[in-house]
Amino acid sequence: EVQLVESGGGLVKPGGSLRLSCAASGFSFSDYALTWVRQAPGKGLEWVSSISGSSTHKYYADSVKGRFTISRDNAKNSLFLQMNSLRADDTAVYYCARAPPDTTATTPPGGYWGQGTLVTVSA
Amino acid sequence: QSALTQPASVSGSPGQSITISCTGTSSDLGGYNYVSWYQQHPGKAPKLIIYAVSDRPSGVSHRFSGSKSTNTASLTISGLQAEDEADYYCASYASSSILFGGGTKLTVL
Repeated sequence: EVQLVESGGGLVKPGGSLRLSCAASGFSFSDYALTWVRQAPGKGLEWVSSISGSSTHKYYADSVKGRFTISRDNAKNSLFLQMNSLRADDTAVYYCARAPPDTTATTPPGGYWGQGTLVTVSA
Repeated sequence: QSALTQPASVSGSPGQSITISCTGTSSDLGGYNYVSWYQQHPGKAPKLIIYAVSDRPSGVSHRFSGSKSTNTASLTISGLQAEDEADYYCASYASSSILFGGGTKLTVL
């Protein structure tokens, strides 16, 4: 069974940093691109960042470029999102999601999403 | 990286059909056949209901169908049921990014 489990969310002050993790199981991890999607309270889905299976290709939304870094450890079946210089408008539930098979990193996510982890940026 | 455009809300009565539109440009939605639709109930993660414009994942009801014409994709839900009340999002491949629509709240009257 495919599972994606996010962790690392919490309360952080503006300007602070946080590292999110997504533990994957049930599939050949390195064969799939992965994506972070966030959802601010009461708002819609927003693409944050995507990474190819081999980490060769990394993509970022303009709103997080230069502040967030996506990475993965294929030996540990884990996806990460390092978030620096956090702002109040980064407050959201962050989901990790798997791309469909045999697609690129910026193909919309497929049918496997985690349950999300809440990041709150507030003084 | 502009968002795709969806109506904020649609509504319909049980048994009726509704269509939700999703408009992009020739550089994103109109240029590729990688359009997906997601259903999200409150407090839950999004659920994929349509991928590659019109394909349905296994287990998704045949009442859900997708299509695309030029720069606009559409999701049609036929035979509306109470459990279809949810938020619906479109998403598209856009070369070096993924674009999401702003979401449409479906109310089943």
